Amino acid sequence: GQQVMQIPQYQHVQEGEDFTTYCNSSTTLSNIQWYKQRPGGHPVFLIQLVKSGEVKKQKRLTFQFGEAKKNSSLHITATQTTDVGTYFCAAQGAQKLVFGQGTRLTINP
Amino acid sequence: DGGITQSPKYLFRKEGQNVTLSCEQNLNHDAMYWYRQDPGQGLRLIYYSQIVNDFQKGDIAEGYSVSREKKESFPLTVTSAQKNPTAFYLCASSTHGTSYEQYFGPGTRLTVT
Repeated sequence: GQQVMQIPQYQHVQEGEDFTTYCNSSTTLSNIQWYKQRPGGHPVFLIQLVKSGEVKKQKRLTFQFGEAKKNSSLHITATQTTDVGTYFCAAQGAQKLVFGQGTRLTINP
Repeated sequence: DGGITQSPKYLFRKEGQNVTLSCEQNLNHDAMYWYRQDPGQGLRLIYYSQIVNDFQKGDIAEGYSVSREKKESFPLTVTSAQKNPTAFYLCASSTHGTSYEQYFGPGTRLTVT
């Protein structure tokens, strides 16, 4: 079945440093979604990307969808302690979403 | 106040007992999903339902059962056949299947000893 690989699995940064997580698929994706799960919480939808080469920004977060629609990235500029959590990408499969393994971000204040 | 609720937040059971986890939504969503999350792991799909009275197995359905008798409700039963049931269980809902965002409930943390 469809799989999405997400890297890195863990990332520890100093507050103020940038952070990037990558999501890769061997097949062309119709769209990709990104979610954030705070420690002890539940995943919360951040954004959906649909178009080839699409770039969307939410304050310090920049989301990109590759030209071939096989990869995506989430970049956080100047991390803050509120950014701590696990970031998941999710690709549309047959009647369901296929989630990546997630990237757990920890931040040293 | 619209949303998706799961109860209870924490659940403890003895091995060999069946247990049912509640999931209710008032978002008028057609689709509902159950995921399992183990510590430090991603989300694995257990069951999903696109419409009332219909549901499909996900990637790890063995040892679980569901029902979808009402649009608002999608309870999950963890049976004694599930070999390793201790986990964090998340319910989610969405409109029109997977082209739209999924809304997650707060989760139920099940511990079986």
